[in-house]
Amino acid sequence: ETGVTQTPRHLVMGMTNKKSLKCEQHLGHNAMYWYKQSAKKPLELMFVYNFKEQTENNSVPSRFSPECPNSSHLFLHLHTLQPEDSALYLCASSQGILANEQFFGPGTRLTVL
Amino acid sequence: RKEVEQDPGPFNVPEGATVAFNCTYSNSASQSFFWYRQDCRKEPKLLMSVYSSGNEDGRFTAQLNRASQYISLLIRDSKLSDSATYLCVVSSTGGFKTIFGAGTRLFVKA
Repeated sequence: ETGVTQTPRHLVMGMTNKKSLKCEQHLGHNAMYWYKQSAKKPLELMFVYNFKEQTENNSVPSRFSPECPNSSHLFLHLHTLQPEDSALYLCASSQGILANEQFFGPGTRLTVL
Repeated sequence: RKEVEQDPGPFNVPEGATVAFNCTYSNSASQSFFWYRQDCRKEPKLLMSVYSSGNEDGRFTAQLNRASQYISLLIRDSKLSDSATYLCVVSSTGGFKTIFGAGTRLFVKA
């Protein structure tokens, strides 16, 4: 596999469910990111990891919990979400943090019922 | 004021036209600037980085004006395949912030 992969591609969950999104990058990058893209709104940076360490949490609600076990894998654990959390969740990676090109995965389309 | 502002468009242009997009940013400490392209229901992909001296890649030219805090993208000889949303992106490593503009929609018609 090449590039940045994300699973699942589509997810429908109830507000009481717990689910996880997975991201894997095969580019040898050291920085990984979670973004949220809602309809008619700009991409919002949620979390930044550099060498497995979280460097930024942009005031994201605690119902979103990231995990970065190594530089190649990133998870987003979801619990007790709200319908307004329905969006496209994009993972990205880069060599070096923020100043360089970010490579995006295809995203997970999340619907919260 | 939004941190990164773009004209949402849409821009509807015929093939062969020249079209220009502008983007303004509010954080004077911003260090890195990019234009990304996002096709419908696809992930964003880097189109080009933007340097202070301006840079060109084929039909695409990007300019940065730090004093006025805006960046621009010029597309010459538009192709049907240029139809997409163009995202202005501004980053600062201090504070680890990346801000995406809302994007400008471009439709190129035959």
